[in-house]
Amino acid sequence: AQRVTQPEKLLSVFKGAPVELKCNYSYSGSPELFWYVQYSRQRLQLLLRHISRESIKGFTADLNKGETSFHLKKPFAQEEDSAMYYCALILTGGGNKLTFGTGTQLKVEL
Amino acid sequence: GAGVSQSPRYKVAKRGQDVALRCDPISGHVSLFWYQQALGQGPEFLTYFQNEAQLDKSGLPSDRFFAERPEGSVSTLKIQRTQQEDSAVYLCASSLPPHRVHGYTFGSGTRLTVV
Repeated sequence: AQRVTQPEKLLSVFKGAPVELKCNYSYSGSPELFWYVQYSRQRLQLLLRHISRESIKGFTADLNKGETSFHLKKPFAQEEDSAMYYCALILTGGGNKLTFGTGTQLKVEL
Repeated sequence: GAGVSQSPRYKVAKRGQDVALRCDPISGHVSLFWYQQALGQGPEFLTYFQNEAQLDKSGLPSDRFFAERPEGSVSTLKIQRTQQEDSAVYLCASSLPPHRVHGYTFGSGTRLTVV
C-alpha cells in the first residue's frame, strides 16, 4: 500500500532562514503529490500540487522519483508560515483517495 | 455554497450513543470524501462517494460506521454505539475529477468527543 512519511513532527526555524519540510513516499507507480497546510484555527487547505509546478507563497516542491521525495522548500521563512503542513498523494491510474502523512508543525520564530 | 460546510462543529456524545455528522459539499462537486483525524495524526481515509454511489468504503473502521449520500449532494456519516476511540475530528472534502489536478476542498470538520 502507498505510504507517506514526514519524519519531523516539529520544525523550528528563525524568520528569514530557509525552510525544508521533508516528505518521502513509498509507491511503485507514479503518484501525484500535494502539500496541504492548516493554519491555526483554520481548515485544511491545498498549498500546492506537483502537477502544476507552481510556487505558492514562496513555497516550491520538486518531485524526486529516484529518492521518492517531495520536499517543501522556501528560501526565507516568514512568521505567517507557522502552521501544520501535510504531504499527501493520490495514485495515478486508479483510486481516488488522498493518502496523508502525519504532518510537520512549522514554527517560525522571530 | 462557497465552501464545504460541516455540522455540527462540535459534538459530545456519551459512550454508546449514536451520532450523525453532516457534510454539505461545494455545489457541483461530484466527489465527496470522509476522513478521520485523530489527535496528532494526519487525516485517514474513511469513504468516498461519486454522486450517490459509495465507490470505496475500505477505510471505515467497523460496521458501526455508515455513510450515505442519497441524492448525490449532502452526505451524512453515522456512527452507532460510539466508543471512546471514535473521538476525533471528522473531515469532509469534495472535489471535481480529475482529483490529481484539482485536489480536494476540505470542510472545517466536526470534533467528536466520546465521554
